[in-house]
Amino acid sequence: QKEVEQDPGPLSVPEGAIVSLNCTYSNSAFQYFMWYRQYSRKGPELLMYTYSSGNKEDGRFTAQVDKSSKYISLFIRDSQPSDSATYLCAMKGYGQNFVFGPGTRLSVLP
Amino acid sequence: EPEVTQTPSHQVTQMGQEVILRCVPISNHLYFYWYRQILGQKVEFLVSFYNNEISEKSEIFDDQFSVERPDGSNFTLKIRSTKLEDSAMYFCASRGAVMGDDTQYFGPGTRLTVL
Repeated sequence: QKEVEQDPGPLSVPEGAIVSLNCTYSNSAFQYFMWYRQYSRKGPELLMYTYSSGNKEDGRFTAQVDKSSKYISLFIRDSQPSDSATYLCAMKGYGQNFVFGPGTRLSVLP
Repeated sequence: EPEVTQTPSHQVTQMGQEVILRCVPISNHLYFYWYRQILGQKVEFLVSFYNNEISEKSEIFDDQFSVERPDGSNFTLKIRSTKLEDSAMYFCASRGAVMGDDTQYFGPGTRLTVL
């Protein structure tokens, strides 16, 4: 079993849709969770950072962590064509380095 | 807003040649990282650097690789004798020293092509 799994997509949605992106993990030591957005041939751009179970909201983005299920999600409300990118989850335990998921490609169609 | 910068944006080299990839981390950051992303694959950790020494390195970071902070602003990754399989995007990242904040900020990457 891979340490971090993520549906590679591509995921295509119409503009305005709610998008749900998910990662599962196997390492119960992971405590810190991030979501990055990566446009083609660009560096990852931090979207959300959380270290506790529950929800964290920032504008149109909501990050959800369920440590008991080893499952994290990123929700995008009112999706825009500019949200079209690859979304990477990353996570780590205390004192460890980040492990990235393979990314989900999202296309928001106008 | 402060950002991590990397040069060059694209480097083409012949197999066996040495390359140096350069990064300027965010100015008050103390922890520095290199990651690699082979085309179509996930971002992979290479090495972390703090207080002028390597903190941790992955199995990818073998003897062909080295890192250096030659002055107060630059952070470099050297690949001594490049191989075809070194072709990838190389990302530098940095983070500050705020307790409990592991946020890493990434540069735009250097695309390395080994011919």
